Amino acid sequence: QQQVKQSPQSLIVQKGGISIINCAYENTAFDYFPWYQQFPGKGPALLIAIRPDVSEKKEGRFTISFNKSAKQFSLHIMDSQPGDSATYFCACGSSNTGKLIFGQGTTLQVKP
Amino acid sequence: DTAVSQTPKYLVTQMGNDKSIKCEQNLGHDTMYWYKQDSKKFLKIMFSYNNKELIINETVPNRFSPKSPDKAHLNLHINSLELGDSAVYFCASSQGETGGAGGYTFGSGTRLTVV
Repeated sequence: QQQVKQSPQSLIVQKGGISIINCAYENTAFDYFPWYQQFPGKGPALLIAIRPDVSEKKEGRFTISFNKSAKQFSLHIMDSQPGDSATYFCACGSSNTGKLIFGQGTTLQVKP
Repeated sequence: DTAVSQTPKYLVTQMGNDKSIKCEQNLGHDTMYWYKQDSKKFLKIMFSYNNKELIINETVPNRFSPKSPDKAHLNLHINSLELGDSAVYFCASSQGETGGAGGYTFGSGTRLTVV
């Protein structure tokens, strides 16, 4: 049973465009929602994270939108650049269980 | 300075062998993890330790045995390796359960290939 569903599996965007990746979860006990970025041959790195008490968080070109009632959240990358080409993972965490459950990943390619 | 370092980076071994992967973090974090990333890039937690104490043990074959000699080190020993164990294994650390604002810090991974 997949607790965290991420879409799309892959995404191609033109340079300067907006990349949008979506995530849906089932467990209402989750209280921490990060996004990780992974380049080939490297480990995932924390990009941006949100707690359920806010609906949006922005850091530079990266924004998380969070819809608690729908149990969904998304990552928006504004003005996408070729250097943003990577695999992106959403994750859900619970302070009770102390573990992160990752989505299946989205491979983003930004074309010059 | 590397925050979370794993060794070796690559490991090629035959079925039935026993192998170990080592992990060290210099961030002063109190919690460490092992994650497995399969060929489809799916990341699945295997174990986590908090201050040398096992707190998460997912449904992992008992051929996998983690050991934490101190809170800066978490090693993974795998007995009787099978073809299906081939994957990239990531060590990670965090301060607290989910890492708070800092999240998890991952190592660069160990690519294990069983032939």
